[in-house]
Amino acid sequence: QKEVEQNSGPLSVPEGAIASLNCTYSDRGSQSFFWYRQYSGKSPELIMSIYSNGDKEDGRFTAQLNKASQYVSLLIRDSQPSDSATYLCAVSGSWGKLQFGAGTQVVVTP
Amino acid sequence: SAVISQKPSRDICQRGTSLTIQCQVDSQVTMMFWYRQQPGQSLTLIATANQGSEATYESGFVIDKFPISRPNLTFSTLTVSNMSPEDSSIYLCSVEDQTGDVYEQYFGPGTRLTVT
Repeated sequence: QKEVEQNSGPLSVPEGAIASLNCTYSDRGSQSFFWYRQYSGKSPELIMSIYSNGDKEDGRFTAQLNKASQYVSLLIRDSQPSDSATYLCAVSGSWGKLQFGAGTQVVVTP
Repeated sequence: SAVISQKPSRDICQRGTSLTIQCQVDSQVTMMFWYRQQPGQSLTLIATANQGSEATYESGFVIDKFPISRPNLTFSTLTVSNMSPEDSSIYLCSVEDQTGDVYEQYFGPGTRLTVT
């Protein structure tokens, strides 16, 4: 059974601090990795994609990938109350199919 | 990225009936997917819908229960048949957008289904 694992949280983060979210996956053949943000009652929104080992930065977001350890993470710098949401890790297998983790709920406290 | 719409946005249906959900994209896409998100859960892929071929269903999902149509490159429907309260979920379509070697999936707004 191919799995994507995330800590469910909630992860409480003071405003202005760094939120660190982790994700592990079991399928070594996975090539593409994504982070989606989902606000309550809304559909998932793609915020980061990463394909190669290392870091990828986009604004306040940094995704980190380590294929040898089968580990992908998301850092949110200078966390804002608007970052309060559930963050879904997704891993792409064959034919573009995405397998999602359970999601980590992030709560940014003023 | 593509603009995706779904109809209806929500519905309340009686047990034993069927509901067809529509997904419309503003550009031609090859790959479309249907997902289910049960209350408090993450997303589970139901099937992949490619134009000109039958949908490919994931383990645990069958065509008789979730028939899918894909008549062209901008439209797909998912029918939830003979509904039971366990089918109460959010149903989401997504499309795969390709830019060079990068393939990313974007989601529609979802259809919130409640079965009574």
